[in-house]
Amino acid sequence: GESVGLHLPTLSVQEGDNSIINCAYSNSASDYFIWYKQESGKGPQFIIDIRSNMDKRQGQRVTVLLNKTVKHLSLQIAATQPGDSAVYFCAENIGGGGADGLTFGKGTHLIIQP
Amino acid sequence: DAEITQSPRHKITETGRQVTLACHQTWNHNNMFWYRQDLGHGLRLIHYSYGVQDTNKGEVSDGYSVSRSNTEDLPLTLESAASSQTSVYFCASSWDRGRAQYFGPGTRLTVL
Repeated sequence: GESVGLHLPTLSVQEGDNSIINCAYSNSASDYFIWYKQESGKGPQFIIDIRSNMDKRQGQRVTVLLNKTVKHLSLQIAATQPGDSAVYFCAENIGGGGADGLTFGKGTHLIIQP
Repeated sequence: DAEITQSPRHKITETGRQVTLACHQTWNHNNMFWYRQDLGHGLRLIHYSYGVQDTNKGEVSDGYSVSRSNTEDLPLTLESAASSQTSVYFCASSWDRGRAQYFGPGTRLTVL
């Protein structure tokens, strides 16, 4: 079946290396951000989130960095493993519990080279 | 364990038929959402609900409807399926508005 990763920006990394996936968000009023992972044929899976009053947040093998000055979000994955192959996309919320909820980016396809 | 499920996982139908996709969550979340995902597009919001008897239109609501009769379920109905509605459909739910949403496994719908 078709892959959600087709036609997306691709990042290829060696197994064991660190991966950095970037996301530029559009709204300076956004106050909450999420990273999702989507494997082929599956639904998006929550990875980590961060509020706008933070610059950095760490999870298990993942770190999210937020630069509000340039409206940039990044996801760092340490010691990349084959199971990390997926499409990763960010989501933002402009705050206030607005009716439209989250706005999702189109994503980056992460490919792990053995 | 609490979860969110969708059924069917795959569906093939004909133009003009009515189709209903099911979504069921056991997290007791008030907020539920339906999205479609197509090549070249991010997730696009179809309809959403903030509680029982509440429904709202999203970005691409034409040709779709939802109803919310209980907390657990938000079925999505295509009143008269069109080929342009061939897509992968995802249901999601969340505890807080505008906060992390948790997605189901998706339904791949093909309209011939």
